[in-house]
Amino acid sequence: AQKVTQAQTEISVVEKEDVTLDCVYETRDTTYYLFWYKQPPSGELVFLIRRNSFDEQNEISGRYSWNFQKSTSSFNFTITASQVVDSAVYFCALKGSRETSGSRLTFGEGTQLTVNP
Amino acid sequence: DGGITQSPKYLFRKEGQNVTLSCEQNLNHDAMYWYRQDPGQGLRLIYYSQIVNDFQKGDIAEGYSVSREKKESFPLTVTSAQKNPTAFYLCASSLTSGADTQYFGPGTRLTVL
Repeated sequence: AQKVTQAQTEISVVEKEDVTLDCVYETRDTTYYLFWYKQPPSGELVFLIRRNSFDEQNEISGRYSWNFQKSTSSFNFTITASQVVDSAVYFCALKGSRETSGSRLTFGEGTQLTVNP
Repeated sequence: DGGITQSPKYLFRKEGQNVTLSCEQNLNHDAMYWYRQDPGQGLRLIYYSQIVNDFQKGDIAEGYSVSREKKESFPLTVTSAQKNPTAFYLCASSLTSGADTQYFGPGTRLTVL
C-alpha cells in the first residue's frame, strides 16, 4: 500500500521568511513518481512539480525548490522569501507502478500555508 | 485555450435526488479521473477511466456512477445511495494512465440540503 504523510497541518509565516513543507512517503515500488500541487482558495489544484524515483537531483524553480531524498523517503518543498500569494494548501502526492497501484495518485492530507504581510 | 472545465461551480441538491457533475477536457488526454475532497483532507479517488468506454472503481466508488462515451467527457453522477455527498469534487486528466502528470479542473462544490 502507498502512503503519503504531511505532518504539518498548518504553517504560518511572515512575508519574506523561508518555509519548508515536509512530505514523507511509503511505497514498495522501485519505480514511482512524486508530485506537489498547490490549491489556492479558488479550489483548483495547480501542478507544481513531478519527480521520478530514479532522479534524485534537487530542483529549483524561481523561489521554489524541492529536496528529494530516497534514503529518508522524503520529498520536501521549500519556498524562499515567501509572499502573500503563496498562501494556499499544498499537497504532496505519490504514484506507483500501474501493476501495483493502478492509476492511483495517493495524496497527503495537505499543509495549509498562510503568509502574513 | 486547452484545459479542463467542470460545471457547475456550485450545486445544491435535495436529499434523495441524483445529480450529474460535468467534466470536459480538450487536451486530447486518454485518462480521466474523479476525486472527492472533504474539508481539511486530501483527495480520494472515486472513479477513473483509462480510455473511452472503459472505467474502473477507485477507493470510494459506492454511491457514484460514471460513463465515458467520448474521449473529452467524463460525467459523474452522485446517486441517492451516496450517504454523505456534500463535498468538493475535482476532475482530472492525464495523457495516459501511466506515469503522466494529472491536471485538474476548477472543481464543483456540491451541497445536499
